[in-house]
Amino acid sequence: GENVEQHPSTLSVQEGDSAVIKCTYSDSASNYFPWYKQELGKGPQLIIDIRSNVGEKKDQRIAVTLNKTAKHFSLHITETQPEDSAVYFCAAIILGNTPLVFGKGTRLSVIA
Amino acid sequence: DAGITQSPRHKVTETGTPVTLRCHQTENHRYMYWYRQDPGHGLRLIHYSYGVKDTDKGEVSDGYSVSRSKTEDFLLTLESATSSQTSVYFCAISGGFAGGPTGELFFGEGSRLTVL
Repeated sequence: GENVEQHPSTLSVQEGDSAVIKCTYSDSASNYFPWYKQELGKGPQLIIDIRSNVGEKKDQRIAVTLNKTAKHFSLHITETQPEDSAVYFCAAIILGNTPLVFGKGTRLSVIA
Repeated sequence: DAGITQSPRHKVTETGTPVTLRCHQTENHRYMYWYRQDPGHGLRLIHYSYGVKDTDKGEVSDGYSVSRSKTEDFLLTLESATSSQTSVYFCAISGGFAGGPTGELFFGEGSRLTVL
């Protein structure tokens, strides 16, 4: 089955700097790659996703890039703010097939 | 916010006792999931359901059973709780049809279970 590796496990950045979280996946058939943000005491929430026919997707300060050949995808957060502090999870799936497989998460701390 | 309610939100129990966690949704979504979250392990799938009375095992299903007798309710049961089952449990739902789920999961607020 699919295996998703996520790095780093913790990340601290100064407010205003950029943050990058990287994930690799094992199943070349996977075609959907979402990112979830989990705030303290809450359930994870989808923030952005990308499908395998697209190389990059942006939504305001966040962007995701996908390299199908290398089987890795990344989350980029620019101009970080304290409210970006959370745990971020990447995931991969073959849409319409088995459930999402998540990475182990990255705890992002934005220092004011 | 998606209409997902987990109960109880917090529970402390003793080893060997049975525990049932309930997930209730008002979205009429076909797919429902139970994940557990532990430090260093992220989110791991326990069981999931793709319709009423249709369930399947996930990555960490040992020691857990599930039931789904109605679209809106998905129950997770620990027949005899152990300390290794101390965790935060999340229910999630997703839309889709018989051909498979859509991508997005909507999560509940979590149920924190402590087994002493």
